[in-house]
Amino acid sequence: KAGVTQTPRYLIKTRGQQVTLSCSPISGHRSVSWYQQTPGQGLQFLFEYFSETQRNKGNFPGRFSGRQFSNSRSEMNVSTLELGDSALYLCASSFQPGQGLGEAFFGQGTRLTVV
Amino acid sequence: DQQVKQNSPSLSVQEGRISILNCDYTNSMFDYFLWYKKYPAEGPTFLISISSIKDKNEDGRFTVFLNKSAKHLSLHIVPSQPGDSAVYFCASYNAGNMLTFGGGTRLMVKP
Repeated sequence: KAGVTQTPRYLIKTRGQQVTLSCSPISGHRSVSWYQQTPGQGLQFLFEYFSETQRNKGNFPGRFSGRQFSNSRSEMNVSTLELGDSALYLCASSFQPGQGLGEAFFGQGTRLTVV
Repeated sequence: DQQVKQNSPSLSVQEGRISILNCDYTNSMFDYFLWYKKYPAEGPTFLISISSIKDKNEDGRFTVFLNKSAKHLSLHIVPSQPGDSAVYFCASYNAGNMLTFGGGTRLMVKP
């Protein structure tokens, strides 16, 4: 079956703009989490959605938001982009939140560059 | 405050030798640990996990050891192969079922 699909793969935006990233989880998976990876910071948790509800949120400003649709696809939005938002944004899907019937599977990520 | 720490940002090992990657955690409530491997331009892929009821889990060349009293886990790769060169992340689920990652260790296996 298809893996986690993230679009677009690469994106260049200017400061002050907003951006929307998309994630389609593995078929049957209902939990989607988002992470930001920057050099030296590892993988920072952004938020997690399950059944269209945000279950958890990491320590990021309100400029970062997300949502999940009834088909489990998820989007994250970053408004008023800053240079420091340049990062690889990763989406992970799992059957259910937390440890359970399977570990989280990651997409290839969206590389966002803010200039 | 990092709850999961990987203190070695990089590790270089000769092909055929053992690679040992270390990870420390601070929250004694963590009870399930995972290792992920990440190649450049790809998302992390799950490698191996261990529950706190065990102190060792083995899968082929990969073995994870857990020392609960020291809040320490390690990943052993034997024998190491050049294809193992990647960034390795340890992770754990916290009480809110959020997956918390360490900062990663870049492993370089030299032929």
